[in-house]
Amino acid sequence: DAGITQSPRHKVTETGTPVTLRCHQTENHRYMYWYRQDPGHGLRLIHYSYGVKDTDKGEVSDGYSVSRSKTEDFLLTLESATSSQTSVYFCAISESAGQPQHFGDGTRLSIL
Amino acid sequence: KQEVTQIPAALSVPEGENLVLNCSFTDSAIYNLQWFRQDPGKGLTSLLLIQSSQREQTSGRLNASLDKSSGRSTLYIAASQPGDSATYLCAVRGSGAGSYQLTFGKGTKLSVIP
Repeated sequence: DAGITQSPRHKVTETGTPVTLRCHQTENHRYMYWYRQDPGHGLRLIHYSYGVKDTDKGEVSDGYSVSRSKTEDFLLTLESATSSQTSVYFCAISESAGQPQHFGDGTRLSIL
Repeated sequence: KQEVTQIPAALSVPEGENLVLNCSFTDSAIYNLQWFRQDPGKGLTSLLLIQSSQREQTSGRLNASLDKSSGRSTLYIAASQPGDSATYLCAVRGSGAGSYQLTFGKGTKLSVIP
């Protein structure tokens, strides 16, 4: 299995609070991605990174920000969580843009 | 906008049967296509990746084919086993410059009955 660790694995929080999810990889891969998975929508890309300090928006980026200060860590922040952001969040990594993406085990986030 | 469809949404087969899962996509300008499996409460496990220039890829009992011009891919599973029970997802990556996004289908939930 690709060395990807997501933390926390589960989180319950209240509307309006800030939330940060962490993805840590031990593979030294250049590309990292954040997806959310929702019933009826499947997996959708939130943000991705193609190197340290290099990030870009995905399909559903509104309400989310990311940071990548080290190759191994990619942080996803919800500045002010809303109930619509209740979801399962997955981090993925790939060696290059054309190589397979490998996924972490996900973070289940509930916003009440 | 790329759309990926997987039919059927669910499939139940007896153990030992060979089966085919289908994936179709609307825009044939793809860079590659990837098949995953997802077990309940778990992340995605990459099974096979087919580049746009390839016709098929094989790994063990799995064979994935790609017909880019018709916008179709199939995942063939030989001699199915109960351990193959999972949701299978296909995803395509567009070929445009800076296109890093995978567009996913909603998956086929496979149950292999002992």
